[in-house]
Amino acid sequence: ILNVEQSPQSLHVQEGDSTNFTCSFPSSNFYALHWYRWETAKSPEALFVMTLNGDEKKKGRISATLNTKEGYSYLYIKGSQPEDSATYLCASQAAGNKLTFGGGTRVLVKP
Amino acid sequence: DADVTQTPRNRITKTGKRIMLECSQTKGHDRMYWYRQDPGLGLRLIYYSFDVKDINKGEISDGYSVSRQAQAKFSLSLESAIPNQTALYFCATSGSNAEQYFGPGTRLTVT
Repeated sequence: ILNVEQSPQSLHVQEGDSTNFTCSFPSSNFYALHWYRWETAKSPEALFVMTLNGDEKKKGRISATLNTKEGYSYLYIKGSQPEDSATYLCASQAAGNKLTFGGGTRVLVKP
Repeated sequence: DADVTQTPRNRITKTGKRIMLECSQTKGHDRMYWYRQDPGLGLRLIYYSFDVKDINKGEISDGYSVSRQAQAKFSLSLESAIPNQTALYFCATSGSNAEQYFGPGTRLTVT
């Protein structure tokens, strides 16, 4: 994988349902994986920064896992609420501080 | 007050005009970045700076230039704007862990 790829591009979730989506990244020269939450008309805000294989991070109903050997990360939303509607961006950080962003997964939670 | 500010927030300009986007930060970070966002493409890095007078090209630097004359300020210039530079532009800062703090964005339209 040469680029950072996120799938799906968008998804609709019924309120109360749980969901997850994927970020794939180059496993070579890997340093850290970032997740950002971007609400419409606002700026992206950091959710998690993960560095170690097997890392799991949690913030409220949102959690993320990291597999650096195979180059993927999952983001989970448990019991989705309308306020979870946003675009979720992942970014791979190689050595140095440059981030390479994926195209994002746009999540729409329907009441 | 916001930690990262951008001016202007919206700008419409004509092809061939020179335009400058300004970014200021109060976080005391050394590292600053300029990204552009196009629908479906996530955030792409234009230029970044790790210190005053330090300038580095990102993945899409052609047609842009930057200036970092002070720690708190990082400006992006389009010397001769063209329509495919119509996009949403974000400035960001980071500390040593590369976690990005984004400004509110500048929506630029080149007609």
